[in-house]
Amino acid sequence: KAGVTQTPRYLIKTRGQQVTLSCSPISGHRSVSWYQQTPGQGLQFLFEYFSETQRNKGNFPGRFSGRQFSNSRSEMNVSTLELGDSALYLCASWDGHSYEQYFGPGTRLTVT
Amino acid sequence: KQEVTQIPAALSVPEGENLVLNCSFTDSAIYNLQWFRQDPGKGLTSLLLIQSSQREQTSGRLNASLDKSSGRSTLYIAASQPGDSATYLCAVRGSGAGSYQLTFGKGTKLSVIP
Repeated sequence: KAGVTQTPRYLIKTRGQQVTLSCSPISGHRSVSWYQQTPGQGLQFLFEYFSETQRNKGNFPGRFSGRQFSNSRSEMNVSTLELGDSALYLCASWDGHSYEQYFGPGTRLTVT
Repeated sequence: KQEVTQIPAALSVPEGENLVLNCSFTDSAIYNLQWFRQDPGKGLTSLLLIQSSQREQTSGRLNASLDKSSGRSTLYIAASQPGDSATYLCAVRGSGAGSYQLTFGKGTKLSVIP
């Protein structure tokens, strides 16, 4: 079974631009969560989707948004990028039964 | 608010040694605890998942224990190898409604010296 995939793997953007990251969960998994990882703050929860509905949201500004499609694929969008948004963005999926989360390789976003 | 702490932040050991990584959490109302490994610049690899009703889980040379009442977990690595060098992260999932996310510690960076 294929693992969680994330595209693109690397992105370089300038301040003020917006960006969209994509995540495809493991086949059969209906829940997708997004996390931001930075050296200073570690891993922080952004939001979680289950069957196209956002179930939980972390403490991030409204510039961070996401959605989930009927095939469980998810996208997150960051508008008006700031230098502090430079981070590794990780996506995880789980099947809703075992509660074990499986992570993708991440998207490295650099804002200049 | 759940807080997860991992001590030490970094650890260096010679190859072949047994070692213990520590994780503590402030709110004992957890659903489960998961240990991950992260190689530089990569995603997280799940190592072990312990449900709140369990005391320990084992996989190969790894053994994780959970003491929910005291808010502690340990990851024991037997006969360490250079390939075990990575950052090890502990994460807990809350048990309340809307607590589906994982709360992570900052990790322990392990270096196994050949």
